[in-house]
Amino acid sequence: DVVMTQSPLSLPVTLGQPASISCRSSQSLVHSDRNTYLNWFQQRPGQSPRRLIYQVSNRDSRVPDRFSGSGSGTDFTLKISRVEAEDVGVYYCMQGTHWPWTFGQGTKVEI
Amino acid sequence: QVQLVQSETEVKKPGASVKVSCKASGYTFSRYGISWVRQAPGQGLEWMGWVSSYNDDTNYAQKFQGRVTMTTDTSTSTGYMELRGLRSDDTAVYYCARGLRDFEYWGQGTLVTVSS
Repeated sequence: DVVMTQSPLSLPVTLGQPASISCRSSQSLVHSDRNTYLNWFQQRPGQSPRRLIYQVSNRDSRVPDRFSGSGSGTDFTLKISRVEAEDVGVYYCMQGTHWPWTFGQGTKVEI
Repeated sequence: QVQLVQSETEVKKPGASVKVSCKASGYTFSRYGISWVRQAPGQGLEWMGWVSSYNDDTNYAQKFQGRVTMTTDTSTSTGYMELRGLRSDDTAVYYCARGLRDFEYWGQGTLVTVSS
């Protein structure tokens, strides 16, 4: 199975400041169809996960533009340009290239 | 708007089975499969498997092979996940999500507690 390793696992942030989460995969996430199936999810306390980013860098329509995704191959990053209070929660990366799909351990973002 | 509404909380004894439902609305059900993800208390997300809403093809995580069955009912736009031989470590919130790998929409989650 592809192992997804996130860092850090805990991220204290300051309101208005940037934040960054790294996600590394144990093998390349480039699919044979040339797409890279790497998603980012946010899970606020007591809520279901919410997709933020799909295929590395495509932001979902309801997601604020302070969130961005980047990377390629095995190294990926989620960035928040200016953290707001509502961004508190746990963030997960997930690969959908190699069966079985796998998630990172999660990064807890707290103020 | 797209919605996935799951069945209510379940409490089961060890060795029993549970069947969780996920009723979809707001889109053409047969165009997207249903995936299932679970989350044990205080833990991360774990992908369990996927079922096609078009032809009932499935792909299950090895960990659950032989214990899980995922199905769909296109007449009611509902997906189902049945887990058998429940153990205490199956206690978790079970989520459905739309699609094979995109997971743009999620259900609200169903808590399954396994306890004697």
